[in-house]
Amino acid sequence: GAGVSQSPSNKVTEKGKDVELRCDPISGHTALYWYRQSLGQGLEFLIYFQGNSAPDKSGLPSDRFSAERTGGSVSTLTIQRTQQEDSAVYLCASSPGRGPYNEQFFGPGTRLTVL
Amino acid sequence: QKEVEQNSGPLSVPEGAIASLNCTYSDRGSQSFFWYRQYSGKSPELIMFIYSNGDKEDGRFTAQLNKASQYVSLLIRDSQPSDSATYLCAGPLRGGSARQLTFGSGTQLTVLP
Repeated sequence: GAGVSQSPSNKVTEKGKDVELRCDPISGHTALYWYRQSLGQGLEFLIYFQGNSAPDKSGLPSDRFSAERTGGSVSTLTIQRTQQEDSAVYLCASSPGRGPYNEQFFGPGTRLTVL
Repeated sequence: QKEVEQNSGPLSVPEGAIASLNCTYSDRGSQSFFWYRQYSGKSPELIMFIYSNGDKEDGRFTAQLNKASQYVSLLIRDSQPSDSATYLCAGPLRGGSARQLTFGSGTQLTVLP
């Protein structure tokens, strides 16, 4: 079946502009996660959605970052007034969200470059 | 202290050798662990998960969980150059929901032909 998809694959923007990154999780997966990975660094948790529950936003680095998930499926991560330090690969993952297994499956990522 | 730590690396092994990757964790109550492989420029790919004490084998890969000593390891037998990648260990996020993971910083493995 189809895996997690993300768009765009690459995004170059100018400092101060807003960007939207999209994630399509695996069909039927109720849990969705956003991470950020800077060059040569580990995964930084940003936000977690589980079904219709309120999202865990504890990883968002500033109020310029927000995310929503419509209809329990597609998610959009929005970064307002982008800064150069926002340059990174943004990864989305989904998980079945039920049962004892919570393995996460990652999309290909969006590489964001802020000039 | 990070919840999941991968201190070793980068690691180089000759082709055909056993590569041993290690991870320690701080939360004694953690029940499940995952190993991801990440090729350069690609996203992490789940290769193994382990929920119980002991060993779990899948092809050339063996995951080991030792709850008493709080470590998780991944053994790759008959290492191939195609195994060259960064390996990420992940475990439950303390204080988070049961569905959230925390990742180690990764161990870069190079298999020399």
